[in-house]
Amino acid sequence: EAQVTQNPRYLITVTGKKLTVTCSQNMNHEYMSWYRQDPGLGLRQIYYSMNVEVTDKGDVPEGYKVSRKEKRNFPLILESPSPNQTSLYFCASSLLAGATDTQYFGPGTRLTVL
Amino acid sequence: AQTVTQSQPEMSVQEAETVTLSCTYDTSENNYYLFWYKQPPSRQMILVIRQEAYKQQNATENRFSVNFQKAAKSFSLKISDSQLGDTAMYFCAFTYNNNDMRFGAGTRLTVKP
Repeated sequence: EAQVTQNPRYLITVTGKKLTVTCSQNMNHEYMSWYRQDPGLGLRQIYYSMNVEVTDKGDVPEGYKVSRKEKRNFPLILESPSPNQTSLYFCASSLLAGATDTQYFGPGTRLTVL
Repeated sequence: AQTVTQSQPEMSVQEAETVTLSCTYDTSENNYYLFWYKQPPSRQMILVIRQEAYKQQNATENRFSVNFQKAAKSFSLKISDSQLGDTAMYFCAFTYNNNDMRFGAGTRLTVKP
């Protein structure tokens, strides 16, 4: 089944404890992206990747890191999480390099930072 | 700055009736893409419809259609014959540079039986 998977789906952690949210797609998509969703703000883009080893900042990159060593994986890394990073996170991918193509979203990761 | 505004935080509609969700955006670009995404209680984001700015004709997908007014920078979504399964958050989104996406704050739609 073609899909975007994220792990974990739920995570409660404490301030300063490094964490990684994994994202994987099995559709051979070029483009991948991370978003965070907050009430009243909609989705905001954190980072995106046009292809392997090519990443760029979105709207709200502060406090996050990403890497794209393989086409299928695009992990989101929080080196030192803070409570303002408590949010719902979505990974997305699309076949063509670019957000104009249809994006397929993962199921979301609910992160709470205490 | 590229911004997307959804002025209706919540809406409701009776089953089988028609509802229109509003979206306005701000850009100085001439070529761009607009989208409506649906997020049901399952939280899964699903593309409903997309519109390319250079196309005059309004996009349609079954019961979903848009009213794209480029001069007014307006992109409303019309849902005809509303069904209970249409209950969801709806997000309007915009991209112009093929890279980053801007989303509105969302409209929570409830379809009542």
